[in-house]
Amino acid sequence: AQSVTQLDSQVPVFEEAPVELRCNYSSSVSVYLFWYVQYPNQGLQLLLKYLSGSTLVKGINGFEAEFNKSQTSFHLRKPSVHISDTAEYFCAVSGVNNYGQNFVFGPGTRLSVLP
Amino acid sequence: DGGITQSPKYLFRKEGQNVTLSCEQNLNHDAMYWYRQDPGQGLRLIYYSQIVNDFQKGDIAEGYSVSREKKESFPLTVTSAQKNPTAFYLCASSNFPVSYEQYFGPGTRLTVT
Repeated sequence: AQSVTQLDSQVPVFEEAPVELRCNYSSSVSVYLFWYVQYPNQGLQLLLKYLSGSTLVKGINGFEAEFNKSQTSFHLRKPSVHISDTAEYFCAVSGVNNYGQNFVFGPGTRLSVLP
Repeated sequence: DGGITQSPKYLFRKEGQNVTLSCEQNLNHDAMYWYRQDPGQGLRLIYYSQIVNDFQKGDIAEGYSVSREKKESFPLTVTSAQKNPTAFYLCASSNFPVSYEQYFGPGTRLTVT
């Protein structure tokens, strides 16, 4: 079975500071990894994804993530955050089960950018 | 514009009433999903469908029902058997197996009193 851990439930950071949101996953098979962002009372928006190839993945809004197979991690980073980055961030892993696609989300990390 | 629509954005119902949440997509995706989100919590899978006329229970299917009569539509019915139906409901679709990412609708906030 697949699972996703996001160790930090809340991350406060000052505007223009760097930030890292941590994500670890467990899976016995190859997986695909994703980061989503959710603003209040809205659906989830895809930030970036790792399917294969380069382990450093760049996404929208200046975010990037690095896939580390040995540490089973997929941490999200941004070198300089803005107030508008305040939101909930979800890490997710996808694979295949007997029925079709299996998609598992982490519990989320609330990023609060302070002025 | 291609995307997923959910209506209405806010829904209020009395306890004991069934209510149906709409989800429509024009992305031509085969797979569709329903999630429930409670305050401060992640997403929990209610039902999913990989193809028309077929669907599977997710982790918290009790008290919910779905249908998949058309590729573009996947309505969710919250029945009176659902003990705590007040929540934010999200619909998603994916182009599995061509691609793996899920695309989400804007959500419906259901309040039952």
